[in-house]
Amino acid sequence: NAGVTQTPKFQVLKTGQSMTLQCAQDMNHEYMSWYRQDPGMGLRLIHYSVGAGITDQGEVPNGYNVSRSTTEDFPLRLLSAAPSQTSVYFCASSADRGNQPQHFGDGTRLSIL
Amino acid sequence: AQSVTQPDIHITVSEGASLELRCNYSYGATPYLFWYVQSPGQGLQLLLKYFSGDTLVQGIKGFEAEFKRSQSSFNLRKPSVHWSDAAEYFCAVVRGNQFYFGTGTSLTVIP
Repeated sequence: NAGVTQTPKFQVLKTGQSMTLQCAQDMNHEYMSWYRQDPGMGLRLIHYSVGAGITDQGEVPNGYNVSRSTTEDFPLRLLSAAPSQTSVYFCASSADRGNQPQHFGDGTRLSIL
Repeated sequence: AQSVTQPDIHITVSEGASLELRCNYSYGATPYLFWYVQSPGQGLQLLLKYFSGDTLVQGIKGFEAEFKRSQSSFNLRKPSVHWSDAAEYFCAVVRGNQFYFGTGTSLTVIP
């Protein structure tokens, strides 16, 4: 049972490039979310989804896009990478929205040059 | 508005000493509260959670936390710290469909 799997683990991009961070879970969780972690800022919610076909914005959605075509997958797209998006990105899932603990992936460390 | 505040950025304790990490929240209704731990290069692991009922909750690795509504606090405690507890600790509150995390407290354990 893999839990939450994020790929890649590390990525370096040039400013203006686009890319997709992958997130997959095998726990049949309805709720999935993306966070970015920056020093001194804790984790900030980028986007979340309460089920297939439903997504919504979190605290810091600008510059990111998501879709949820299946229960298992929740990819995060950077449309045009900027140095301010250099961060560690975490995907998480939970069995219900809001009142169940989230299971986290191991993170993707992204650097934008 | 900041939903969760962790006043201590960094704490150093001696191995075997007791530990208390502070967390204050701002939320009108009865909150769902969590403590997570993050080891270097890893994702977050749930230590414990509070939804309702008994205000003292027990978690994994010997941690406990006490919910105090009058103080809007949910402090994490451990009676005797082990070197392996060195990590970053995050308090979180759920507001609607969104989790709000504190900025974290980094714990150093000295022999």
